[in-house]
Amino acid sequence: GAGVSQSPRYKVAKRGQDVALRCDPISGHVSLFWYQQALGQGPEFLTYFQNEAQLDKSGLPSDRFFAERPEGSVSTLKIQRTQQEDSAVYLCASSLANRADQPQHFGDGTRLSIL
Amino acid sequence: AQKVTQAQTEISVVEKEDVTLDCVYETRDTTYYLFWYKQPPSGELVFLIRRNSFDEQNEISGRYSWNFQKSTSSFNFTITASQVVDSAVYFCALSEAAGSARQLTFGSGTQLTVLP
Repeated sequence: GAGVSQSPRYKVAKRGQDVALRCDPISGHVSLFWYQQALGQGPEFLTYFQNEAQLDKSGLPSDRFFAERPEGSVSTLKIQRTQQEDSAVYLCASSLANRADQPQHFGDGTRLSIL
Repeated sequence: AQKVTQAQTEISVVEKEDVTLDCVYETRDTTYYLFWYKQPPSGELVFLIRRNSFDEQNEISGRYSWNFQKSTSSFNFTITASQVVDSAVYFCALSEAAGSARQLTFGSGTQLTVLP
């Protein structure tokens, strides 16, 4: 596709449920990033991939958060046993190459609400 | 560790006024990159510009201009003759070249409202 695509756009779950968020990056982009954006704040880094390799997961807040990109394209962010503090917008971004100067291109995000 | 500060939480201007959004950053790296993104109400972050730490030349693109000053660790963004469509949240971000980290560190954003 022309841009980064994320689904679902909105997700409501009850506390304790597991959720899975999908990201389809721009075709050919090597790097893929996940960010968490709380209301009124800037995005905060969660994890990133170069192709299928997860190179940095230092931003994942707990072991309930898990991300994968098995074929180096689509990525899934999974949150197990959700808690209310997980409510946020989850943004996915991709970039053409694994370099710090590369602009990251973002999707519309998934707004997650935990009841 | 890197840090980006956008001290202006909200700014309101009347259409056709000029407005400057401030960004101050901290980094120990000598090579780094600065970015500005726009986030309209739809939520998607739109890339506007990237600057390299070794290039302090200011840049103008239509009504947008950017002033990068290493001496004050600032990378400010000016919109000339603002329009209602400029209303959005604007984020400044930093990435460092050293090491394997590739993530962006964002400021907390400035909500710009342009009134007709």
